[in-house]
Amino acid sequence: NAGVTQTPKFQVLKTGQSMTLQCAQDMNHEYMSWYRQDPGMGLRLIHYSVGAGITDQGEVPNGYNVSRSTTEDFPLRLLSAAPSQTSVYFCASSIYVTGNTIYFGEGSWLTVV
Amino acid sequence: KNEVEQSPQNLTAQEGEFITINCSYSVGISALHWLQQHPGGGIVSLFMLSSGKKKHGRLIATINIQEKHSSLHITASHPRDSAVYICAVVLGGATNKLIFGTGTLLAVQP
Repeated sequence: NAGVTQTPKFQVLKTGQSMTLQCAQDMNHEYMSWYRQDPGMGLRLIHYSVGAGITDQGEVPNGYNVSRSTTEDFPLRLLSAAPSQTSVYFCASSIYVTGNTIYFGEGSWLTVV
Repeated sequence: KNEVEQSPQNLTAQEGEFITINCSYSVGISALHWLQQHPGGGIVSLFMLSSGKKKHGRLIATINIQEKHSSLHITASHPRDSAVYICAVVLGGATNKLIFGTGTLLAVQP
């Protein structure tokens, strides 16, 4: 069991570039989600999915896109990177949103210059 | 006002002390999670509560749904408990969303 695998761990982007943060889980979890963590603020939900083919917006979705073509994978796309998207990003999964345990990826440190 | 408030924001304790971290929320919830984040970023799930109390080793978590309050207790604290402790609530209804507190930074000194 690898748990939640998130890549890359570190990335520097130029303003306007696009990129995809990858997230994969091997636990057959239905619920997957992306968060960003900024200094002095709690984790904030960007997008989430309750199963393959189903995604929805969270608290801060602007500038990000997601898809869920398989149960295992939930990539997060930055469409046109902006300095305001400099943050630490976490992917998480659980059996359901009320599952006993939430499994987090190790985080992706993204800097947009 | 944040929908999930944690107190204290920072806490320094001596090894062996009993520690309490509080979480209050202002929204209807279906469950509440306590998480631990170590330096370097990794986040680990500690508890999920929908009522009552849970215990795991030296950690105890309680929730009072009527008062919209939860506490995380650490007994016989140890320097390895030093971390950020985060409360997250699962919004009630069919929203499928979690809202996080800003965390409590705990430092346990030997």
